[in-house]
Amino acid sequence: DTGVSQNPRHKITKRGQNVTFRCDPISEHNRLYWYRQTLGQGPEFLTYFQNEAQLEKSRLLSDRFSAERPKGSFSTLEIQRTEQGDSAMYLCASSPVPDKTLGGQPQHFGDGTRLSIL
Amino acid sequence: AQTVTQSQPEMSVQEAETVTLSCTYDTSESDYYLFWYKQPPSRQMILVIRQEAYKQQNATENRFSVNFQKAAKSFSLKISDSQLGDAAMYFCALGGSEKLVFGKGTKLTVNP
Repeated sequence: DTGVSQNPRHKITKRGQNVTFRCDPISEHNRLYWYRQTLGQGPEFLTYFQNEAQLEKSRLLSDRFSAERPKGSFSTLEIQRTEQGDSAMYLCASSPVPDKTLGGQPQHFGDGTRLSIL
Repeated sequence: AQTVTQSQPEMSVQEAETVTLSCTYDTSESDYYLFWYKQPPSRQMILVIRQEAYKQQNATENRFSVNFQKAAKSFSLKISDSQLGDAAMYFCALGGSEKLVFGKGTKLTVNP
């Protein structure tokens, strides 16, 4: 178990530029989640995948945000035309699919990608 | 909508003492799970403890235990024999089989 890996750790960019983050989940986990965390707040859900299918998107996820998980393994989160308000920590988490015996599975988080918009 | 409220932005405790962090939640679901996560400064979120709502018995993990009051929708975390390494942000989270909803967190300081 190598844990959830996120790259890059930090990203600094100018307003209006596009950025892409990558998340590699724990290998046996079918579910992958993206959250956004701003200073002094708890993480807020953005979207999640089960295998390659994107099953839910938050209303927080504007049309400038897109996430993919093309082969059901790693995922990318892209933000187009970045704005000052996009500055945040972007967290990725993964978990097994819940089953009838074990129920809801805890999510395992990566270190996050901190985005700063100049 | 599901909500989680942590009413204590900051708490402090003396090393070796006991501290309790509060959390209340609201959900219309009958089947849900509650979690406490720890986030040290500039480090990743780590699961501390997990409670299934259908279980009446309070979960315990070594020095960490919860007081789960389902009717009151309360889920507090007790840390016994506090250690310097317990200093972190603590987040209460509510989930079903999908996303987690987090509170705003409680910053715990441990004084030597």
